[in-house]
Amino acid sequence: GQQLNQSPQSMFIQEGEDVSMNCTSSSIFNTWLWYKQEPGEGPVLLIALYKAGELTSNGRLTAQFGITRKDSFLNISASIPSDVGIYFCAGLRMDSNYQLIWGAGTKLIIKP
Amino acid sequence: SAVISQKPSRDICQRGTSLTIQCQVDSQVTMMFWYRQQPGQSLTLIATANQGSEATYESGFVIDKFPISRPNLTFSTLTVSNMSPEDSSIYLCSVVGLGGGTQYFGPGTRLTVL
Repeated sequence: GQQLNQSPQSMFIQEGEDVSMNCTSSSIFNTWLWYKQEPGEGPVLLIALYKAGELTSNGRLTAQFGITRKDSFLNISASIPSDVGIYFCAGLRMDSNYQLIWGAGTKLIIKP
Repeated sequence: SAVISQKPSRDICQRGTSLTIQCQVDSQVTMMFWYRQQPGQSLTLIATANQGSEATYESGFVIDKFPISRPNLTFSTLTVSNMSPEDSSIYLCSVVGLGGGTQYFGPGTRLTVL
């Protein structure tokens, strides 16, 4: 099925570094969502974006809904060990009956 | 956000058997979904669980293999029938609250088929 283009696929960073990941699509979305999944758990919603150009923060996390409505990015500032996990973007179109289109995920690994 | 529980959390099953996974939400929700997630992969939607009627299945998933029930606004089951090793995966329940908006996920059921 359709999937968003999420990059990078994985990131190896030092603790304290900033992280940036993004998702793009050829389709327009009305909502962009960012989830984090840790081993053995379901995805946990981090940030929801509902309006083009919207910039929303959740602690050290900041996400933006692209002005074209075809992309979104997530930044994590000053990474810490508990940030490790897989981050997924997901897009929702109003005509899709709440069916999310998913990115492939970005695996974040923090080097000791 | 809704609190979602799934049972069992994990299971190891023999080929040819069936397993029913339960999803319970602590509040009424409008929509419930079942997803499958292969190891290291993204999520794939199996079906939308409709209250009081047949589930709506995505391409590649059929009712005979993945029968779904949703008797009320807070509970749903997914059965994985006649299992094979290819069915080994994480199965996730997801909901949308009465106010609409975003989807929330249960903790998942990790299924291994031998």
